[in-house]
Amino acid sequence: DARVTQTPRHKVTEMGQEVTMRCQPILGHNTVFWYRQTMMQGLELLAYFRNRAPLDDSGMPKDRFSAEMPDATLATLKIQPSEPRDSAVYFCASGRWDSPLHFGNGTRLTVT
Amino acid sequence: AQKVTQAQTEISVVEKEDVTLDCVYETRDTTYYLFWYKQPPSGELVFLIRRNSFDEQNEISGRYSWNFQKSTSSFNFTITASQVVDSAVYFCALSENKAAGNKLTFGGGTRVLVKP
Repeated sequence: DARVTQTPRHKVTEMGQEVTMRCQPILGHNTVFWYRQTMMQGLELLAYFRNRAPLDDSGMPKDRFSAEMPDATLATLKIQPSEPRDSAVYFCASGRWDSPLHFGNGTRLTVT
Repeated sequence: AQKVTQAQTEISVVEKEDVTLDCVYETRDTTYYLFWYKQPPSGELVFLIRRNSFDEQNEISGRYSWNFQKSTSSFNFTITASQVVDSAVYFCALSENKAAGNKLTFGGGTRVLVKP
């Protein structure tokens, strides 16, 4: 059963530190999404890629967040510098035009 | 702009009761997809169903059923004879344009608590 793999599952860091979250999409999927989940805002789209090209990153705070796909098997989301308000669960999802999005288990980030 | 509204924030039922989750959506697209996802206490998001805007047939899968009514822009979800394992947060979502694998706009979620 193919799965989207996210690492790490949990991350606790201090304010000001760099955080890198990684995602391995399902083989054959050509779209990759990053969502953030918080109690206040629910599930928000941060960025997404199609065929490794960034299509929309309007949901991301540009000054501190960056998303990349170095190759088809890896997507990264970086926060530098991190702030306490970035504490959330970050989900990666992948899909194809003819399939629903499949989500990873998420990275729970705590910034103290 | 697309919008998904799940008016019920939390529903509590006793095991074996039926529970219906409401979902109302807004979109200007004539072709779109609707989804339901389940988020159990463990936190992952599990895909339950996808429905395209041209298919208004209701669907049943085991104890789950979905009622899509384009006239009222609703896509409601019913769990029949609920079980404790159904306790989770359920999200309704809408994808723009024509692609099922396109970006999703989520509703705020409905937390379902099934008590023994």
